[in-house]
Amino acid sequence: QKEVEQNSGPLSVPEGAIASLNCTYSDRGSQSFFWYRQYSGKSPELIMFIYSNGDKEDGRFTAQLNKASQYVSLLIRDSQPSDSATYLCAVRDTGNQFYFGTGTSLTVIP
Amino acid sequence: GAVVSQHPSRVICKSGTSVKIECRSLDFQATTMFWYRQFPKQSLMLMATSNEGSKATYEQGVEKDKFLINHASLTLSTLTVTSAHPEDSSFYICSARGPQGNTEAFFGQGTRLTVV
Repeated sequence: QKEVEQNSGPLSVPEGAIASLNCTYSDRGSQSFFWYRQYSGKSPELIMFIYSNGDKEDGRFTAQLNKASQYVSLLIRDSQPSDSATYLCAVRDTGNQFYFGTGTSLTVIP
Repeated sequence: GAVVSQHPSRVICKSGTSVKIECRSLDFQATTMFWYRQFPKQSLMLMATSNEGSKATYEQGVEKDKFLINHASLTLSTLTVTSAHPEDSSFYICSARGPQGNTEAFFGQGTRLTVV
């Protein structure tokens, strides 16, 4: 059973701080890793994807991947109240199947 | 990015009736689409993988006779919830892998189904 695990939270950070979201996965053959943001009652939207070990930055978001540790994280710098949402980690395996974590609820306090 | 359109966004139906949900890829061809169900405060649960021109692959525990999936064209997949019951009330979301060379999944807007 392939698993993607996230801390469900809730995670609360003050406005302007760095929010750190973590995800571990069980399948060593996983190829691609994605972070989605989901607002309540809405469909998930893609924030970032990462394929290679190391960091990938896009604006205020940085994805970090460590395949040896089977760990992927998302850092949100200068957190804003509008970043308050549930963040889903997703992993794509060699069969092109997506597996989602349970999501981490983030609240940014003004 | 690629656009996936899902319809309807909300539907209320009586117990025992059937409901059809459509998922369309608007600007690309999607040979594979995925159907998910999400209960409140829970993550996405994959129900089935829909392949154009062939039978859908259902996840363990998902009744294929209750959740009928048809992927008749490269831009349309449908999910029909047959003989719906209140426990089928949920948020149903479809997604499609992007165009060739684009590997992320794009999601439809979701359908909130309420069975009364």
